[in-house]
Amino acid sequence: SQKIEQNSEALNIQEGKTATLTCNYTNYSPAYLQWYRQDPGRGPVFLLLIRENEKEKRKERLKVTFDTTLKQSLFHITASQPADSATYLCALVPNQAGTALIFGKGTTLSVSS
Amino acid sequence: GAVVSQHPSWVICKSGTSVKIECRSLDFQATTMFWYRQFPKQSLMLMATSNEGSKATYEQGVEKDKFLINHASLTLSTLTVTSAHPEDSSFYICSAPRSGSGSTDTQYFGPGTRLTVL
Repeated sequence: SQKIEQNSEALNIQEGKTATLTCNYTNYSPAYLQWYRQDPGRGPVFLLLIRENEKEKRKERLKVTFDTTLKQSLFHITASQPADSATYLCALVPNQAGTALIFGKGTTLSVSS
Repeated sequence: GAVVSQHPSWVICKSGTSVKIECRSLDFQATTMFWYRQFPKQSLMLMATSNEGSKATYEQGVEKDKFLINHASLTLSTLTVTSAHPEDSSFYICSAPRSGSGSTDTQYFGPGTRLTVL
């Protein structure tokens, strides 16, 4: 069956450290993979998009990798801050026309000072 | 950046009544909008794809007669939960791709609507 999984439900780290979140998928051939941030009671906010032919994408303190062989994406936040505490969702676009995003359950990151 | 709004942000209703939720793209046109539902500590689940000027496409297991979708203009889609029951209580979120060409574009999400059915 098709699945998109974020292995950790919760991740707790100290301020200044690098947070690494994992997203694995099964039986999809995504053209894109995206990462979103969601704060409690709010809609998701887009962070980064990475295409199947890209290995890495960076935006300020954020970095995303995409390994289509391992069927995995890693999301890194360097020099993490308490303000980075939120739920991070990975989402993929299946390689089919006209299909909306499929989301993982999310990983809730808590950064303590 | 692109802005998508939802109204209301929170609604409480009695069982058996109908509730309408609006989703608007404020600074761009969207021929396609998506409606999601999210239960606590769960993923966003796609309910339906709203298409301007044509019928919505519903995901498997979503009752189209219960969740009525109308995409009346290029900036407005509405979701009406008919004869709501307590099990319909959830967080409903809409999204719209910016260029309107489908799911491969970046999607902008509304702030969500919390529905509580008593």
